[in-house]
Amino acid sequence: DAGVIQSPRHEVTEMGQEVTLRCKPISGHNSLFWYRQTMMRGLELLIYFNNNVPIDDSGMPEDRFSAKMPNASFSTLKIQPSEPRDSAVYFCASSLVTSGDNEQFFGPGTRLTVL
Amino acid sequence: GDSVTQMEGPVTLSEEAFLTINCTYTATGYPSLFWYVQYPGEGLQLLLKATKADDKGSNKGFEATYRKETTSFHLEKGSVQVSDSAVYFCALSDDNYGQNFVFGPGTRLSVLP
Repeated sequence: DAGVIQSPRHEVTEMGQEVTLRCKPISGHNSLFWYRQTMMRGLELLIYFNNNVPIDDSGMPEDRFSAKMPNASFSTLKIQPSEPRDSAVYFCASSLVTSGDNEQFFGPGTRLTVL
Repeated sequence: GDSVTQMEGPVTLSEEAFLTINCTYTATGYPSLFWYVQYPGEGLQLLLKATKADDKGSNKGFEATYRKETTSFHLEKGSVQVSDSAVYFCALSDDNYGQNFVFGPGTRLSVLP
C-alpha cells in the first residue's frame, strides 16, 4: 500500500488567498483525521471523519477552515481566506478502527506558508 | 478530559547512552497506549503500542510497559544511536472507535556522535 498520500507537499501563498489541501487515506480505512503542527502549539487535532461523516470539528480554529470527505478515498481541508498565522504543517492520518487497535497512519504532511 | 504528559525536552544524549522519556496519562477508561516517532521532515509513525495493563510494547530496541497503577508508559532504549534523533510522542486512545486519540506535546531527542 502506498500509505496516506497528501498533496501538495509544500504550498506558499499570499494572505487572503484560498488554500486547498488534499488527502488520500489508506484503502479500506474508515476514519480520517486532519492535524495541524506548529512549534508554538504542537500537534492539534482539527477534525476527524468516520465513514466519511464529520464526527468532531471542535478543533477547527474558525469559520475560515472547512473540511470535506466526499468519499472514502478523498478528503480536503480548505482555508479561505488564508492568514499568516495559518502557516504550519498540516497532517492527514487514517485508521481502520477495530476494537483494541486504533493505530493512526500519518501522511508526510503539507507545509503551508502564508505570506 | 483525557490527557498525556511527557517530560520536557530537548533531551541530548551521547551515542550508546541509555534513554528514558517519561509519559503519564489521565483517562476515564482503559486506554490503549502508543509511542509515535517523527523524524525531521516526515510525518509521525508508530513506534510501539500496548493495549492493556502490563503489556510491553517493543520495536527497534525501544520498549515501554503499560503501568496501570502508576498510569505511565515510559519509553526506554538501552543504547541510542545518532539515527534515533527525532521527536517522540506519547499518545492514548480510550474508546473502541479510535476517535478519542490524544497526543502528548512531544519530546525532542538529539543524539550526538
